[in-house]
Amino acid sequence: GVTQSPTHLIKTRGQQVTLRCSSQSGHNTVSWYQQALGQGPQFIFQYYRKEENGRGNFPPRFSGLQFPNDSSELNVNALELDDSALYLCASSKDRASNEQFFGPGTRLTVL
Amino acid sequence: DAKTTQPPSMDCAEGRAANLPCNHSTISGNEYVYWYRQIHSQGPQYIIHGLKNNETNEMASLIITEDRKSSTLILPHATLRDTAVYYCIVRPDTGTASKLTFGTGTRLQVTL
Repeated sequence: GVTQSPTHLIKTRGQQVTLRCSSQSGHNTVSWYQQALGQGPQFIFQYYRKEENGRGNFPPRFSGLQFPNDSSELNVNALELDDSALYLCASSKDRASNEQFFGPGTRLTVL
Repeated sequence: DAKTTQPPSMDCAEGRAANLPCNHSTISGNEYVYWYRQIHSQGPQYIIHGLKNNETNEMASLIITEDRKSSTLILPHATLRDTAVYYCIVRPDTGTASKLTFGTGTRLQVTL
């Protein structure tokens, strides 16, 4: 399945953070979502074959990478208090797949 | 993407059918209806999707009205493990980005 690391993370305002995701085997597309407490997940961006393929309403300090083995990173610079959330990674067979497989998420707390 | 409206919460007795409604009155002709659920402390899980015909799989049935402005997800025999937040999502079949736009969903509580 989809795995994410770390499970929990605490940072202070202004710091930078890197979250990691390993896709399900055979999947070439990874999407990242941010889920604030009590809200549904919000789409950050998607990577397909190492290129960004769609982005939600998030500033450029949210960036990503996709590696040849289809694992992915989400980087957030200049952390703000509002960045505290559950960050979810989802993989799919390709960019137009009907089903996305979600990982358990990384809980980020910004103090 | 079309917006959806769902009741914030519902209760269902274990063993009974759970019928979760969703309103998507502004849905376009090329938009599909998707259902995902999120069990506490887990990532969302795909349940089912459809365009205009009713669909059934091992988890649930999806009933879409003829005018496509609303749909109902049916869990035929709800169990305690079905307690979760259920999200109804409409998404165009663009063939490119598979972005999902989640609302706040319906919190289904299955009780003994």
